[in-house]
Amino acid sequence: NAGVTQTPKFQVLKTGQSMTLQCAQDMNHNSMYWYRQDPGMGLRLIYYSASEGTTDKGEVPNGYNVSRLNKREFSLRLESAAPSQTSVYFCASSERPNYGGRGQPQHFGDGTRLSIL
Amino acid sequence: TQLLEQSPQFLSIQEGENLTVYCNSSSVFSSLQWYRQEPGEGPVLLVTVVTGGEVKKLKRLTFQFGDARKDSSLHITAAQPGDTGLYLCAGAPNTGNQFYFGTGTSLTVIP
Repeated sequence: NAGVTQTPKFQVLKTGQSMTLQCAQDMNHNSMYWYRQDPGMGLRLIYYSASEGTTDKGEVPNGYNVSRLNKREFSLRLESAAPSQTSVYFCASSERPNYGGRGQPQHFGDGTRLSIL
Repeated sequence: TQLLEQSPQFLSIQEGENLTVYCNSSSVFSSLQWYRQEPGEGPVLLVTVVTGGEVKKLKRLTFQFGDARKDSSLHITAAQPGDTGLYLCAGAPNTGNQFYFGTGTSLTVIP
Protein backbone atom coordinates (compact mmCIF):
# COMPACT_ATOMS: atom_id res chain seq x y z
CA ASN A 1 0.00 0.00 0.00
CA ALA A 2 2.24 2.80 -1.31
CA GLY A 3 0.00 5.86 -0.75
CA VAL A 4 1.85 8.89 -2.15
CA THR A 5 5.16 8.24 -3.90
CA GLN A 6 7.65 10.99 -4.72
CA THR A 7 10.70 10.75 -6.94
CA PRO A 8 13.53 11.47 -6.68
CA LYS A 9 14.22 11.47 -2.91
CA PHE A 10 17.33 13.64 -3.22
CA GLN A 11 18.63 15.94 -5.95
CA VAL A 12 21.43 18.48 -6.32
CA LEU A 13 21.17 21.04 -9.11
CA LYS A 14 23.23 23.95 -10.33
CA THR A 15 21.69 27.39 -10.63
CA GLY A 16 19.82 27.68 -13.93
CA GLN A 17 19.23 23.96 -14.43
CA SER A 18 15.73 22.60 -14.79
CA MET A 19 14.10 19.52 -13.36
CA THR A 20 10.74 17.90 -12.72
CA LEU A 21 9.64 16.39 -9.42
CA GLN A 22 7.27 13.48 -9.82
CA CYS A 23 4.36 12.52 -7.57
CA ALA A 24 1.91 9.64 -7.86
CA GLN A 25 -0.89 8.45 -5.56
CA ASP A 26 -2.70 5.12 -5.60
CA MET A 27 -5.67 6.05 -3.37
CA ASN A 28 -7.95 7.28 -6.19
CA HIS A 29 -7.89 10.76 -4.66
CA ASN A 30 -9.26 13.72 -6.60
CA SER A 31 -7.08 16.50 -5.18
CA MET A 32 -3.30 16.86 -5.11
CA TYR A 33 -0.93 19.45 -3.66
CA TRP A 34 2.69 20.57 -3.78
CA TYR A 35 4.29 22.15 -0.69
CA ARG A 36 7.75 23.32 0.22
CA GLN A 37 9.10 23.09 3.76
CA ASP A 38 11.78 25.44 5.04
CA PRO A 39 13.16 25.67 8.61
CA GLY A 40 10.93 27.71 10.90
CA MET A 41 8.29 28.27 8.22
CA GLY A 42 6.13 25.18 8.30
CA LEU A 43 4.78 24.05 4.93
CA ARG A 44 3.81 26.53 2.23
CA LEU A 45 1.54 25.64 -0.64
CA ILE A 46 3.05 26.07 -4.10
CA TYR A 47 0.28 24.77 -6.39
CA TYR A 48 -2.70 22.50 -6.04
CA SER A 49 -5.05 20.56 -8.29
CA ALA A 50 -8.58 20.32 -6.91
CA SER A 51 -9.52 17.73 -9.53
CA GLU A 52 -8.11 16.17 -12.67
CA GLY A 53 -7.74 18.82 -15.35
CA THR A 54 -7.49 21.82 -13.01
CA THR A 55 -4.56 23.55 -11.32
CA ASP A 56 -4.37 26.68 -9.15
CA LYS A 57 -1.68 28.78 -7.54
CA GLY A 58 -0.97 28.59 -3.84
CA GLU A 59 1.01 30.93 -1.57
CA VAL A 60 4.41 30.70 -3.30
CA PRO A 61 3.98 29.76 -7.01
CA ASN A 62 6.71 31.96 -8.54
CA GLY A 63 9.42 29.97 -10.29
CA TYR A 64 7.35 26.78 -10.52
CA ASN A 65 4.96 25.11 -12.95
CA VAL A 66 2.78 22.05 -12.48
CA SER A 67 1.05 19.44 -14.60
CA ARG A 68 -1.81 17.19 -13.55
CA LEU A 69 -0.96 14.41 -15.94
CA ASN A 70 -3.91 12.21 -14.97
CA LYS A 71 -5.84 11.44 -11.79
CA ARG A 72 -2.84 9.66 -10.23
CA GLU A 73 0.05 11.94 -11.16
CA PHE A 74 0.93 15.56 -10.37
CA SER A 75 4.36 16.89 -11.32
CA LEU A 76 6.23 20.04 -10.26
CA ARG A 77 8.73 21.68 -12.62
CA LEU A 78 11.52 24.13 -11.89
CA GLU A 79 12.38 25.77 -15.21
CA SER A 80 15.49 27.67 -14.05
CA ALA A 81 16.50 26.66 -10.54
CA ALA A 82 17.64 29.32 -8.06
CA PRO A 83 19.38 28.88 -4.67
CA SER A 84 16.22 30.25 -2.98
CA GLN A 85 14.42 27.12 -4.16
CA THR A 86 16.61 24.88 -1.99
CA SER A 87 14.04 23.16 0.18
CA VAL A 88 12.24 19.94 0.97
CA TYR A 89 9.28 19.45 -1.36
CA PHE A 90 6.22 17.46 -0.33
CA CYS A 91 3.39 16.18 -2.46
CA ALA A 92 0.05 15.43 -0.82
CA SER A 93 -3.36 14.18 -1.86
CA SER A 94 -6.90 14.28 -0.46
CA GLU A 95 -10.03 12.41 -1.43
CA ARG A 96 -11.95 15.61 -2.20
CA PRO A 97 -11.14 19.31 -2.53
CA ASN A 98 -11.10 21.36 0.64
CA TYR A 99 -13.89 23.68 -0.51
CA GLY A 100 -15.31 25.75 2.30
CA GLY A 101 -12.62 24.68 4.71
CA ARG A 102 -14.10 21.29 5.35
CA GLY A 103 -10.76 19.98 6.54
CA GLN A 104 -10.12 17.14 4.14
CA PRO A 105 -7.38 14.83 5.44
CA GLN A 106 -4.20 15.16 3.44
CA HIS A 107 -1.86 12.23 2.84
CA PHE A 108 1.78 13.16 2.28
CA GLY A 109 4.70 11.55 0.51
CA ASP A 110 8.12 11.35 2.14
CA GLY A 111 9.50 14.37 0.32
CA THR A 112 12.19 15.34 -2.16
CA ARG A 113 15.27 17.04 -0.70
CA LEU A 114 16.47 19.52 -3.29
CA SER A 115 19.70 21.53 -3.07
CA ILE A 116 20.57 24.21 -5.61
CA LEU A 117 24.15 25.40 -5.73
CA THR B 1 1.69 35.26 4.53
CA GLN B 2 2.11 33.23 7.72
CA LEU B 3 -1.35 33.06 9.28
CA LEU B 4 -0.64 30.55 12.05
CA GLU B 5 2.00 30.94 14.77
CA GLN B 6 2.96 27.99 16.95
CA SER B 7 4.63 28.11 20.33
CA PRO B 8 6.99 27.05 21.58
CA GLN B 9 9.17 26.50 18.53
CA PHE B 10 11.32 23.93 20.36
CA LEU B 11 10.51 21.83 23.42
CA SER B 12 12.69 19.29 25.20
CA ILE B 13 11.20 17.41 28.15
CA GLN B 14 11.74 14.30 30.24
CA GLU B 15 9.68 11.17 29.73
CA GLY B 16 6.53 11.28 31.88
CA GLU B 17 6.12 15.07 31.85
CA ASN B 18 3.09 16.88 30.47
CA LEU B 19 3.22 19.57 27.80
CA THR B 20 1.04 21.92 25.78
CA VAL B 21 1.65 23.26 22.29
CA TYR B 22 -0.23 26.32 21.03
CA CYS B 23 -1.38 27.36 17.57
CA ASN B 24 -2.60 30.96 17.28
CA SER B 25 -3.95 33.17 14.53
CA SER B 26 -5.79 36.43 14.02
CA SER B 27 -7.85 34.73 11.31
CA VAL B 28 -10.93 32.54 11.68
CA PHE B 29 -10.75 29.00 10.34
CA SER B 30 -13.54 26.61 9.41
CA SER B 31 -11.44 23.67 10.52
CA LEU B 32 -8.06 23.01 12.00
CA GLN B 33 -5.85 19.96 11.77
CA TRP B 34 -2.84 18.70 13.70
CA TYR B 35 -0.10 16.67 12.04
CA ARG B 36 3.02 14.95 13.37
CA GLN B 37 6.12 14.65 11.23
CA GLU B 38 9.11 12.41 11.92
CA PRO B 39 12.57 12.99 10.41
CA GLY B 40 12.78 11.98 6.76
CA GLU B 41 9.05 11.47 6.43
CA GLY B 42 5.97 13.45 5.49
CA PRO B 43 3.44 14.78 8.01
CA VAL B 44 0.77 12.36 9.25
CA LEU B 45 -2.67 13.58 10.26
CA LEU B 46 -3.53 13.23 13.96
CA VAL B 47 -6.90 14.98 14.21
CA THR B 48 -9.31 17.43 12.59
CA VAL B 49 -11.46 19.80 14.68
CA VAL B 50 -14.33 21.71 13.09
CA THR B 51 -16.48 23.23 15.88
CA GLY B 52 -15.51 26.15 18.11
CA GLY B 53 -14.80 24.83 21.62
CA GLU B 54 -14.47 21.27 20.41
CA VAL B 55 -12.23 18.93 22.39
CA LYS B 56 -10.94 15.66 20.95
CA LYS B 57 -8.86 13.03 22.70
CA LEU B 58 -6.53 10.56 21.07
CA LYS B 59 -5.07 8.33 23.81
CA ARG B 60 -2.71 10.66 25.74
CA LEU B 61 -3.21 13.57 23.31
CA THR B 62 -5.96 16.17 23.86
CA PHE B 63 -6.79 18.69 21.13
CA GLN B 64 -8.91 21.79 21.63
CA PHE B 65 -10.28 24.27 19.08
CA GLY B 66 -10.81 27.77 20.47
CA ASP B 67 -14.33 29.12 20.87
CA ALA B 68 -13.68 31.80 18.24
CA ARG B 69 -12.02 29.26 15.91
CA LYS B 70 -8.81 31.33 15.79
CA ASP B 71 -6.59 29.13 17.93
CA SER B 72 -5.96 25.57 19.03
CA SER B 73 -3.91 23.65 21.56
CA LEU B 74 -2.42 20.19 21.81
CA HIS B 75 -1.82 18.74 25.28
CA ILE B 76 0.22 15.57 25.78
CA THR B 77 -0.03 13.74 29.09
CA ALA B 78 2.88 11.62 30.34
CA ALA B 79 5.03 12.14 27.24
CA GLN B 80 6.92 9.17 25.85
CA PRO B 81 9.99 9.04 23.56
CA GLY B 82 7.68 7.87 20.75
CA ASP B 83 5.99 11.30 20.89
CA THR B 84 9.18 12.92 19.60
CA GLY B 85 8.62 14.75 16.33
CA LEU B 86 7.57 17.98 14.65
CA TYR B 87 3.98 18.96 15.39
CA LEU B 88 2.23 21.10 12.79
CA CYS B 89 -1.17 22.77 12.91
CA ALA B 90 -2.99 23.56 9.67
CA GLY B 91 -6.02 25.80 9.29
CA ALA B 92 -8.57 25.91 6.49
CA PRO B 93 -10.45 29.20 5.88
CA ASN B 94 -14.09 29.01 4.86
CA THR B 95 -13.25 30.32 1.38
CA GLY B 96 -10.83 28.85 -1.10
CA ASN B 97 -9.28 25.43 -1.15
CA GLN B 98 -6.05 25.91 0.78
CA PHE B 99 -4.62 24.86 4.09
CA TYR B 100 -2.28 27.23 5.91
CA PHE B 101 0.33 25.49 8.03
CA GLY B 102 1.77 26.76 11.27
CA THR B 103 5.47 27.28 11.91
CA GLY B 104 5.82 23.96 13.76
CA THR B 105 6.86 22.80 17.24
CA SER B 106 9.80 20.41 17.47
CA LEU B 107 9.32 18.12 20.47
CA THR B 108 12.03 15.93 21.96
CA VAL B 109 11.14 13.52 24.77
CA ILE B 110 14.19 12.31 26.65
CA PRO B 111 14.03 8.79 28.11
